[in-house]
Amino acid sequence: QKEVEQNSGPLSVPEGAIASLNCTYSDRVSQSFFWYRQYSGKSPELIMSIYSNGDKEDGRFTAQLNKASQYVSLLIRDSQPSDSATYLCGNSGGYQKVTFGTGTKLQVIP
Amino acid sequence: GAGVSQSPSNKVTEKGKDVELRCDPISGHTALYWYRQRLGQGLEFLIYFQGNSAPDKSGLPSDRFSAERTGESVSTLTIQRTQQEDSAVYLCASSLGQVEKLFFGSGTQLSVL
Repeated sequence: QKEVEQNSGPLSVPEGAIASLNCTYSDRVSQSFFWYRQYSGKSPELIMSIYSNGDKEDGRFTAQLNKASQYVSLLIRDSQPSDSATYLCGNSGGYQKVTFGTGTKLQVIP
Repeated sequence: GAGVSQSPSNKVTEKGKDVELRCDPISGHTALYWYRQRLGQGLEFLIYFQGNSAPDKSGLPSDRFSAERTGESVSTLTIQRTQQEDSAVYLCASSLGQVEKLFFGSGTQLSVL
């Protein structure tokens, strides 16, 4: 079983819609969770981090964490074509090793 | 520079040759990570350093792979006797030491012919 699992997609949503990206993880001691965005041919960049159960909002982005169910999600409201990218879910068990899933490719259709 | 610097940006080598990839982290960043990304795939963890110590080498695919870091500065990833399956982008990232934000370099595209 992979440590972090994501649906590879592509996930296609129309412009202005809500994009929902999901991630599950197997390591119950994971403490820190991250969403990175990677444009084609570019390096990943951090867009959200979350450490506590519940929701964390930053602009159009909301990260949701449920440790009991071992999943973390990312919602993108009012999706824009510029949001089209691969979204990588990552986690850390507290001693700094950061493990990523395979990423979900998001396509926002104008 | 202000960011993570990796060199070379591209490397083409013949099967069986050794290659050395370099990463220069952001000044002051104590943690340094190496990842491998095959075409269309996610990030595969290879190794990370805290200072010049490598607490976790579990991701190194085989004994052909090794890495070292000088103090809290430059790191090199060495691949011996390269194979075609080693072809990938090798990404380096650094962080301040807390697992808050990884800053990635632009990567080295390795092609093994």
